[in-house]
Amino acid sequence: DQQVKQNSPSLSVQEGRISILNCDYTNSMFDYFLWYKKYPAEGPTFLISISSIKDKNEDGRFTVFLNKSAKHLSLHIVPSQPGDSAVYFCAALVGGSQGNLIFGKGTKLSVKP
Amino acid sequence: SAVISQKPSRDICQRGTSLTIQCQVDSQVTMMFWYRQQPGQSLTLIATANQGSEATYESGFVIDKFPISRPNLTFSTLTVSNMSPEDSSIYLCSVGTSGPYEQYFGPGTRLTVT
Repeated sequence: DQQVKQNSPSLSVQEGRISILNCDYTNSMFDYFLWYKKYPAEGPTFLISISSIKDKNEDGRFTVFLNKSAKHLSLHIVPSQPGDSAVYFCAALVGGSQGNLIFGKGTKLSVKP
Repeated sequence: SAVISQKPSRDICQRGTSLTIQCQVDSQVTMMFWYRQQPGQSLTLIATANQGSEATYESGFVIDKFPISRPNLTFSTLTVSNMSPEDSSIYLCSVGTSGPYEQYFGPGTRLTVT
């Protein structure tokens, strides 16, 4: 049973518009969430994270929102750029700093010029 | 951040053989992790390898199938033993950092078993 779910395998947006990637989780004990970006033939690259005690974290064009009551988080990219085209993975940390990351299956974002 | 390299980047192997994947980090790190990403699936943790102790394996993964070495703070190997086509995956190593807790990943090794 998947504890971290990314229900949209792909998303296509126009350059300059907002990209919204969604992630749902089932375990209320998760205490940290992370987003990774992955280009083909490369390893995942850390993008942004959020602690479970917060509901928003912003870093430049990237903002992550956390809704604990709904067990839902989302990554907003605005404005979207063609270089943002990649697979985005949502991950949850359980067990504190020595814990494990549990990943979703990823969403492939395509930003069209 | 850390710069992580893996060897080989890809390989095609025959059923029943073994492959050892190397992971090299440009700085000393305590925690190293090995993941597998099967086609169309998420990244799944195989084991955690801390220098000076035995690797800790996740449910569904065993040492006989995936032996791991961690001889020092910058290097680790993962061996995929007695391979079958179901072992065809991307294998990635990563390193842990102090909080906030992020992991940095190597480029991965794409393994195809025929």
